[in-house]
Amino acid sequence: GQQVMQIPQYQHVQEGEDFTTYCNSSTTLSNIQWYKQRPGGHPVFLIQLVKSGEVKKQKRLTFQFGEAKKNSSLHITATQTTDVGTYFCAGGSSGNTGKLIFGQGTTLQVKP
Amino acid sequence: EPEVTQTPSHQVTQMGQEVILRCVPISNHLYFYWYRQILGQKVEFLVSFYNNEISEKSEIFDDQFSVERPDGSNFTLKIRSTKLEDSAMYFCASTGQLYGYTFGSGTRLTVV
Repeated sequence: GQQVMQIPQYQHVQEGEDFTTYCNSSTTLSNIQWYKQRPGGHPVFLIQLVKSGEVKKQKRLTFQFGEAKKNSSLHITATQTTDVGTYFCAGGSSGNTGKLIFGQGTTLQVKP
Repeated sequence: EPEVTQTPSHQVTQMGQEVILRCVPISNHLYFYWYRQILGQKVEFLVSFYNNEISEKSEIFDDQFSVERPDGSNFTLKIRSTKLEDSAMYFCASTGQLYGYTFGSGTRLTVV
């Protein structure tokens, strides 16, 4: 079945350093979505990418969707302690149900 | 900001017992989902629901699971005979447009 792999599993950074998480799908995706889950919380939608090669920015966050629509990345510039949490990518298939296949997530710890 | 509401927040049940997890999706959303997250692991798709019927379900969603939208506002997940491995956080989610889910805060199910 369709699988979405995400690396690294954990990342510890010093506040102010950059952070990147990578996501790879075993199949071509119709879209990719990114969610953030704070410790003890629920996933919160960040963004959706649909087009091949698409790049979107939200303040210090940059999201990319690969040309083949099988990989994606999230880059955070100059991390802050408020960035702490687990970042999940979630791939959407071509069906019309909206089902998402989540990656394992990357847990980010930021040391002040 | 509209919210997806889930009750109870924590449910402890004996193995073999039936449980019903309740969700109130955002009122103008059309697509409803149940996902689960075993502690520290990724978010797994269980079922999608649209137009008062299941639109897709995963292998996890076997005959022990069922969903209902009994009154046009509530959306329930029933597990008929719980097993120890059903212990997880169960998230309800809804969306109006097949992306950008709004997740509820989850029900932590503990089967003992």
